Formats: sequence, structure tokens, C-alpha cells
Amino acid sequence: ETGVTQTPRHLVMGMTNKKSLKCEQHLGHNAMYWYKQSAKKPLELMFVYSLEERVENNSVPSRFSPECPNSSHLFLHLHTLQPEDSALYLCASSQDWGVQYFGPGTRLLVL
Amino acid sequence: QKEVEQDPGPLSVPEGAIVSLNCTYSNSAFQYFMWYRQYSRKGPELLMYTYSSGNKEDGRFTAQVDKSSKYISLFIRDSQPSDSATYLCAMWGYNKLIFGAGTRLAVHP
Repeated sequence: ETGVTQTPRHLVMGMTNKKSLKCEQHLGHNAMYWYKQSAKKPLELMFVYSLEERVENNSVPSRFSPECPNSSHLFLHLHTLQPEDSALYLCASSQDWGVQYFGPGTRLLVL
Repeated sequence: QKEVEQDPGPLSVPEGAIVSLNCTYSNSAFQYFMWYRQYSRKGPELLMYTYSSGNKEDGRFTAQVDKSSKYISLFIRDSQPSDSATYLCAMWGYNKLIFGAGTRLAVHP
């Protein structure tokens, strides 16, 4: 595996479900990011981890909970989501604050 | 005022045309300027990045930055149907990467 991988690629969940998105980077980077991409809107930065420490949380609702167990892995735990949370969730990584490389995304549909 | 403005398009051009994609920005602290290409249902893929004002060329792609006007451009020469995608500009400053909304490009045979 190379680059940034994300699983699952597609996810359908009900509002009462709990699920997790996984991201893994094989680039040796020390920073990882979660973004939300909704139709016709700019990418919205959700969380930033640098050296496994959360350094940014852009007023994201608590129903989204990130976890970074090591510099290669990043999770986004989801619970009691709303239909408006349906979007493409993208993970990215970078070395320090440099150029970011993205994964393919998880397309989430909340029913 | 948004920090980064990008016309969402869509932009439709015939194969072989020269395409010009643009973004304007308001924050003079931005230092690095990037262009990403995103195919449908895929993650953004880095195309080019530049630091200073001026031009940078890579094959059929040329990135141009004019810091005095706070304006960046991406030119695609000899456009191909495979160039059909959404192009996102992004700018980095103060440890933040800010994206434009993306311009959807369609190159028809």
C-alpha cells in the first residue's frame, strides 16, 4: 500500500448507529487531517493532529470524535449523526505543515 | 469576504483548448499556493505547488502566481477529456491550508 488509504469507501448508517472511519498513511508524515466535503462547498477542515496530538478542532460537533493512536493511523468515530452530516470525509497527511496528500475519501450517507 | 474565491463553473471546453482556471485571495499572509485535481468520487490529488510569484510549468500545466494582485491561475494546454475533473486551488499560511470551492471542468471530444 502506498500513499493515504481510507476505509470504508462507502458507509450508510442510521442516526442511532455508531461507526468509525479509518485512515492510514504510508508516507512517513507527522501530521494528519480530517476534512468534510459537501456538494458545492469548499473543503472544511475538521481536525488536525501533529505528532499524534490534536492541535486543531474547528468547532466540530461532539458527535464526531477523532483518535490518533500513532503517526500513521487516524480514526473518526461517529455516533448519533444527522442527515446533514452526509458528505465525503477525506483524510490527508503532511510532513510538518507542508503539502497535504489526500486519501480517496469515505462517502457517508446518514439516513 | 471569503479568504479564497474560486468560480465554481462548470467550464466546458472542446478537446485541445487552452483552459484557464483562477482564484483570488484576500490574505497577504498566504505563502504557498497549490492546485489539486479531484475526479468524481475520489480524493483531491496534488497537481502543482508554488511559493513565489511567477510561473511554474509541468508538462501541459502552468501555475501562475501574482502576489501583488492576490491572484493565481492554472493553465492547461492541449486539454484532453481525461482532464475533466474539479480543480481546487489551495493556499497555505499561518499553519492553515484554505481551499477554494473548486471549478468543475468538462473537456468534450
